[in-house]
Amino acid sequence: DTEVTQTPKHLVMGMTNKKSLKCEQHMGHRAMYWYKQKAKKPPELMFVYSYEKLSINESVPSRFSPECPNSSLLNLHLHALQPEDSALYLCASSQIQLGANVLTFGAGSRLTVL
Amino acid sequence: GESVGLHLPTLSVQEGDNSIINCAYSNSASDYFIWYKQESGKGPQFIIDIRSNMDKRQGQRVTVLLNKTVKHLSLQIAATQPGDSAVYFCADRSGTYKYIFGTGTRLKVLA
Repeated sequence: DTEVTQTPKHLVMGMTNKKSLKCEQHMGHRAMYWYKQKAKKPPELMFVYSYEKLSINESVPSRFSPECPNSSLLNLHLHALQPEDSALYLCASSQIQLGANVLTFGAGSRLTVL
Repeated sequence: GESVGLHLPTLSVQEGDNSIINCAYSNSASDYFIWYKQESGKGPQFIIDIRSNMDKRQGQRVTVLLNKTVKHLSLQIAATQPGDSAVYFCADRSGTYKYIFGTGTRLKVLA
């Protein structure tokens, strides 16, 4: 299995809702990432987990709450989002070793905040 | 030609011609670089990578060149095909996990 699977593909939520994005990989990768991508822009790094522990938080607002329950799963919990948070949320994974570690991306979850 | 501003820089090439997409990075400590292709509605797809101890690497129809002196990366696509139409991003890594993406270039292949 060489895929990163993200669900849901599309999500529409109100500013008072609580929802979650999910990501799963079975490649044995021990680093998992969340990126945010706005239209016509590059992906922006949000969070990195390595060995199920948060390694990087790029000063992301607390209304985004990541969770890594095990080495195959990564969640992004969403609460009290703003319309400007509407974007494509990409999950990626990679090996952890010296040298070349390619990020493998999922297809993304497209989020619309009303 | 190229256009900049509110839109992605765009490179238009004739089918069958070679394409060269450029990328500048800012962190001189970056040790690893990846080119990704992103089609509409999809996640970025790996094309080719290069480590900082190399200046050139070739794949199938693609070549990546790295110039660390001027912090510049390029992707060359030989005999460009309609299926190559997409947005191309470079990403550089500093530290173990910090992969930062460049602005991106839209490649349009003209029939």
